[in-house]
Amino acid sequence: DAKTTQPTSMDCAEGRAANLPCNHSTISGNEYVYWYRQIHSQGPQYIIHGLKNNETNEMASLIITEDRKSSTLILPHATLRDTAVYYCIVRAAGGGGSNYKLTFGKGTLLTVNP
Amino acid sequence: DTGVSQDPRHKITKRGQNVTFRCDPISEHNRLYWYRQTLGQGPEFLTYFQNEAQLEKSRLLSDRFSAERPKGSFSTLEIQRTEQGDSAMYLCASSLRVTSGATDTQYFGPGTRLTVL
Repeated sequence: DAKTTQPTSMDCAEGRAANLPCNHSTISGNEYVYWYRQIHSQGPQYIIHGLKNNETNEMASLIITEDRKSSTLILPHATLRDTAVYYCIVRAAGGGGSNYKLTFGKGTLLTVNP
Repeated sequence: DTGVSQDPRHKITKRGQNVTFRCDPISEHNRLYWYRQTLGQGPEFLTYFQNEAQLEKSRLLSDRFSAERPKGSFSTLEIQRTEQGDSAMYLCASSLRVTSGATDTQYFGPGTRLTVL
């Protein structure tokens, strides 16, 4: 799986949009971009994933650049409960090979301030 | 909504004791994964099952670790002769295997925090 680079930490004001960047310059054509977050002492929570197109769900939006070398997770209206470590992961598609596992880095600690 | 459940949530044991953790995946999910997370680090893959077959084990999974998934439903992770270095959060995840070319999303449980004294 391709490696990702994320800032160590970010701050955001409550009610504002949080934009979390991720670089994945070595991503392959069949690799998806996944985002998870982990609130202190809890298991990772799936947020969103995408391949090429931008994606949106009830939690967030995922913007993937045209060359797919970077992406941005957007939390449109951050709340205090969004304070967590956010992980950007790239993972190959398919049912076999080495795509079974998720390779986590250290992620970005997002702190939402009142 | 029944997600992935893990039991116990916390376990404190003395060095040298054996411990066993249980994971109940989301119903009908055929893939089950175990990860370990130490303080300040992201989760690290340990092993995974597709139905009852254990298809991959990480080098992190020493001989003292064994995982099973009888009948392809719940899974257990046993650690024998625990060491202080085994202290960590043990996470279970499950997913529904899809056809080649697509991707399956892993959903995690709350984890079991192990402390070895």
